[in-house]
Amino acid sequence: EIVLTQSPATLSLSPGERATLSCRASQSVSSYLAWYQQKPGQAPRLLIYDVSNRATGIPARFSGSGSGTDFTLTISSLEPEDFAVYYCQQRSNWLLTFGGGTKVEIK
Amino acid sequence: QVQLQESGPRLVKPSQTLSLTCSVSGASISSGAYYWSWLRQHPGKGLEWIGYIYNSGSTYYNPSLKSRVTISADASKRQFSLKVSSVTAADTAVYYCARGRRPDYVPYWGQGTLVTVSS
Repeated sequence: EIVLTQSPATLSLSPGERATLSCRASQSVSSYLAWYQQKPGQAPRLLIYDVSNRATGIPARFSGSGSGTDFTLTISSLEPEDFAVYYCQQRSNWLLTFGGGTKVEIK
Repeated sequence: QVQLQESGPRLVKPSQTLSLTCSVSGASISSGAYYWSWLRQHPGKGLEWIGYIYNSGSTYYNPSLKSRVTISADASKRQFSLKVSSVTAADTAVYYCARGRRPDYVPYWGQGTLVTVSS
């Protein structure tokens, strides 16, 4: 099983700042790497799939990059609605696993 | 627009079987084009994929839960279901049903339902 480790656990930033979230895999991951946003009391929302493709309706300020074992979600300029928890997720051998999450909070 | 809605008992006793149903509107379960998934989230914790059913019959499960989990579909009722046997307090979680065109990620989620395992 591939383990995904996200860092930092918490990111304290102000609106307008750039957020950089990291996801590291225990072994090389194919291109099946996705990112989700979750707000309290809500289901997760798909942001990015296949490492760098934005899902339908996702603003351009969200971007994904990386390869192998290291992946990054970047929010270019934080909007008030972006403060939430973010999860990375991968699929290999018919098993989907998620990282532990990064909470982006208002500084 | 596809909508997914979980339903089932909110409280289950230890050692019993947890049963949930996901009602689907706006899409056909029997079309064979989608992966119909179940996932869960323990209170205050991260996400765990349970498994999915594809093409109305092929199933894939998380190995950590495989011995206790069954996912099935009833296309005539536009529903798919989850059963988790021999539950313990560790199975207390918000359970989500979801859908995707590919097995690699999950674009569409239900709102989730909290199931508590307690006597």
